[in-house]
Amino acid sequence: QKEVEQNSGPLSVPEGAIASLNCTYSDRGSQSFFWYRQYSGKSPELIMSIYSNGDKEDGRFTAQLNKASQYVSLLIRDSQPSDSATYLCAVNWDSWGKFQFGAGTQVVVTP
Amino acid sequence: GAVVSQHPSRVICKSGTSVKIECRSLDFQATTMFWYRQFPKQSLMLMATSNEGSKATYEQGVEKDKFLINHASLTLSTLTVTSAHPEDSSFYICSASRSSGGSETQYFGPGTRLLVL
Repeated sequence: QKEVEQNSGPLSVPEGAIASLNCTYSDRGSQSFFWYRQYSGKSPELIMSIYSNGDKEDGRFTAQLNKASQYVSLLIRDSQPSDSATYLCAVNWDSWGKFQFGAGTQVVVTP
Repeated sequence: GAVVSQHPSRVICKSGTSVKIECRSLDFQATTMFWYRQFPKQSLMLMATSNEGSKATYEQGVEKDKFLINHASLTLSTLTVTSAHPEDSSFYICSASRSSGGSETQYFGPGTRLLVL
């Protein structure tokens, strides 16, 4: 059974602070990893993808991947109230592009 | 970009009727599309994988005769909820898979909110 685990939260973050979200996965053979943001009542939107160990930065977002520890994280710098959403971690584990999603971490940025 | 549309965005129907939802990739071709369902405050649940020109692959517990999927072209997949009942009321979301750098990335449509009375 392939599993992706996330802390459900809510993660309360003061405006301007760094939000740190974590995700672990069970399939050591996984090669592609994704973070999606989902606002309440909306569909998920892609934030970042990461394929290699290390950090990948895109604007205020940084994804970190450690395949040895089967761990992927997302940092949101200078958090804004508009970042309040549920963040989904997804792992691609087959050639058809099928994903295993975590349950999501709810982030609440307080002014 | 990678834009995926869904139609309709919202539908209300009577119990026993059938509802068709369309999912289109607007600026890329998608060999594979996925259909998800999401109940309030719950996580995404994959219903089926739709491959162009072949039969869909359904997840365990999803009735293939109730949720008919057709992937007629590289840009269009449809989900038909047959004989809908109130328990089928949910948020249905499709995604289209796009190949990039040797990896597949899923891009989601805006979703269809179904209410069965």
